[in-house]
Amino acid sequence: GDSVTQMEGPVTLSEEAFLTINCTYTATGYPSLFWYVQYPGEGLQLLLKATKADDKGSNKGFEATYRKETTSFHLEKGSVQVSDSAVYFCALYLGFQKLVFGTGTRLLVSP
Amino acid sequence: KAGVTQTPRYLIKTRGQQVTLSCSPISGHRSVSWYQQTPGQGLQFLFEYFSETQRNKGNFPGRFSGRQFSNSRSEMNVSTLELGDSALYLCASSVTGTGGKGTEAFFGQGTRLTVV
Repeated sequence: GDSVTQMEGPVTLSEEAFLTINCTYTATGYPSLFWYVQYPGEGLQLLLKATKADDKGSNKGFEATYRKETTSFHLEKGSVQVSDSAVYFCALYLGFQKLVFGTGTRLLVSP
Repeated sequence: KAGVTQTPRYLIKTRGQQVTLSCSPISGHRSVSWYQQTPGQGLQFLFEYFSETQRNKGNFPGRFSGRQFSNSRSEMNVSTLELGDSALYLCASSVTGTGGKGTEAFFGQGTRLTVV
């Protein structure tokens, strides 16, 4: 079935370090792919998305490229800040607002 | 404009009881979907409503049900509560929620349900 696999956390980084959170997916067809972020006590916020192969989504310094050949959508940021500390979810879209989420990766950034 | 509003934010219920959670979508959004978030199972899709019709449903028992009103507000109901129903229930709204490439879903802050 359709599924998303994310790297386990927590990912612990110092401020200004480079961030990569791996995400791979299994799906029939070519779904849209999303990254959502959840801050403590909050709901999910859309961070970025890509709708077709080789699309690059970007927002707030975060980037992810839809790689059909490797079925991946890895999240990257060149220089993380303490305020980026949150849980990040990779998700694929199956239609009619059904999102299939990965297990989430907690990011902890220290000053 | 106002975001997705879920009420109540916190709820404590006893096993065997039933509960109703409410979601008011962003004005103009006609699609409302519901998700359950638990530490063990993560985020799981419950169902989606559009124009008062359920269009999609996840793999949850019949104890979980929902509805949508003509003003797009939605409620979900869980009957005969079990301890395992303790979770954060998230509601998301979007403009159309049609198939295809996916329109952005805006999530509420959730209702944290604790079953004791």
